[in-house]
Amino acid sequence: AQKVTQAQTEISVVEKEDVTLDCVYETRDTTYYLFWYKQPPSGELVFLIRRNSFDEQNEISGRYSWNFQKSTSSFNFTITASQVVDSAVYFCALSEAGNTDKLIFGTGTRLQVFP
Amino acid sequence: EAQVTQNPRYLITVTGKKLTVTCSQNMNHEYMSWYRQDPGLGLRQIYYSMNVEVTDKGDVPEGYKVSRKEKRNFPLILESPSPNQTSLYFCASSTGAQRRYNEQFFGPGTRLTVL
Repeated sequence: AQKVTQAQTEISVVEKEDVTLDCVYETRDTTYYLFWYKQPPSGELVFLIRRNSFDEQNEISGRYSWNFQKSTSSFNFTITASQVVDSAVYFCALSEAGNTDKLIFGTGTRLQVFP
Repeated sequence: EAQVTQNPRYLITVTGKKLTVTCSQNMNHEYMSWYRQDPGLGLRQIYYSMNVEVTDKGDVPEGYKVSRKEKRNFPLILESPSPNQTSLYFCASSTGAQRRYNEQFFGPGTRLTVL
């Protein structure tokens, strides 16, 4: 069965600290996609990244980086030098090749960055 | 501008009073779906539609109805709302092409409170 686990319910950091949000997934498909979304206090879902199962390259986008490791079924998200504007709920999600339109979400991690 | 719109954005209602949350997309997408977001549970799919007049249950369909009479619209109907349907609801759409990645476009969300 497919599942996404975000074990960290809430993380609090002080500005400029680095923070890593963990995501562990389960799927039987060999082809699948992994996502991270940000949900700021305003409530909308903001797409951050998509990775397919054949691309294990890590990705960096500014202060954001993602570490995809198939060996541990993890897709972790690191924010370097966090800022107050990073405060949000972050969701990791999975979709499988047999039904790519359905997203299976984790329970989310609330990140609070204090000045 | 390509977008998914939802109305209303906020709604407070009482138990048993029928309501409809509308969803409309202007991208000629085949696939549309509804998710609900609850604290500690993430987002879960309620219903989806692969095309006009084709709808099916997602993971948490109880208490909801949908219809897809036109390609652009996918309303969510609560015939007799109950307090456990208090939630944040998201509509999403995508092209629906089979066995390939389809970007999901999310609406802005509808915050529903049932008293």
